[in-house]
Amino acid sequence: GAVVSQHPSWVICKSGTSVKIECRSLDFQATTMFWYRQFPKQSLMLMATSNEGSKATYEQGVEKDKFLINHASLTLSTLTVTSAHPEDSSFYICSVGGGINEKLFFGSGTQLSVL
Amino acid sequence: AQKVTQAQTEISVVEKEDVTLDCVYETRDTTYYLFWYKQPPSGELVFLIRRNSFDEQNEISGRYSWNFQKSTSSFNFTITASQVVDSAVYFCALVYNQGGKLIFGQGTELSVKP
Repeated sequence: GAVVSQHPSWVICKSGTSVKIECRSLDFQATTMFWYRQFPKQSLMLMATSNEGSKATYEQGVEKDKFLINHASLTLSTLTVTSAHPEDSSFYICSVGGGINEKLFFGSGTQLSVL
Repeated sequence: AQKVTQAQTEISVVEKEDVTLDCVYETRDTTYYLFWYKQPPSGELVFLIRRNSFDEQNEISGRYSWNFQKSTSSFNFTITASQVVDSAVYFCALVYNQGGKLIFGQGTELSVKP
C-alpha cells in the first residue's frame, strides 16, 4: 500500500484563490518532508524542505509568502499556494525520507490548474 | 555543486530494441545515493533503483540493468528488448549528504513504438 498519501490528485481553481495540498506519511513519522514542483515537459525542482515544528526551508527563488508550508505533526505537511495565478499551474509532489540509510517515498502528486 | 545531467532529451525506439539512458552526476560528497525513476503520463514517480556511492556493482532486474561507474561519474540505465509500456519520462536523481533532497536530471522521454 501507499506509504505517502498526497491529496488532492488534481485541482482546478480560479485565479486569486488559495489551494491547500496535503502530504501524509502513512507508515512512519517524518520530521522532514520535501516539496517539488514540475512544470510541463520539465524536471522536478525542489521547492522547500518542510520541518516538523519549525519553519520550512525554501530553495532560492521560491517565494515563502506565496507557498506556505505547515508541518504541524510528524505525519502531515501541507503546502498552500496563496493567491494562485495561472503561472502557478504545475505538478506538485511531496517526498518523505531519503536520508542516508532511509528509504525515500513520493506522494502521487497534485496537478494544479489555475484558470 | 551537485548536479545531474541527462543529455538525451528524447529517445525513440522500435519495440524489442535495446536502449540506454545516460546519466552523469556531479557531487563533492563521498557519500551519496543515485536513483532512477520512471514517470508515466499519469505523473506519479515510479521507483526503479537506488544505489549508494560505495556499491559499484552493476545491477540487473529483469529487462532493466544499471551501470554505475564512479570513475566517469555515470549511472546509465539500459532497457533490453524494450516494450511499448516502457514509454515514459525517466529521471536520474542524486541525494547527497544532507539527506532527502533530490537533485533531478532533466529527464529523458522514451518513446517505444510498436
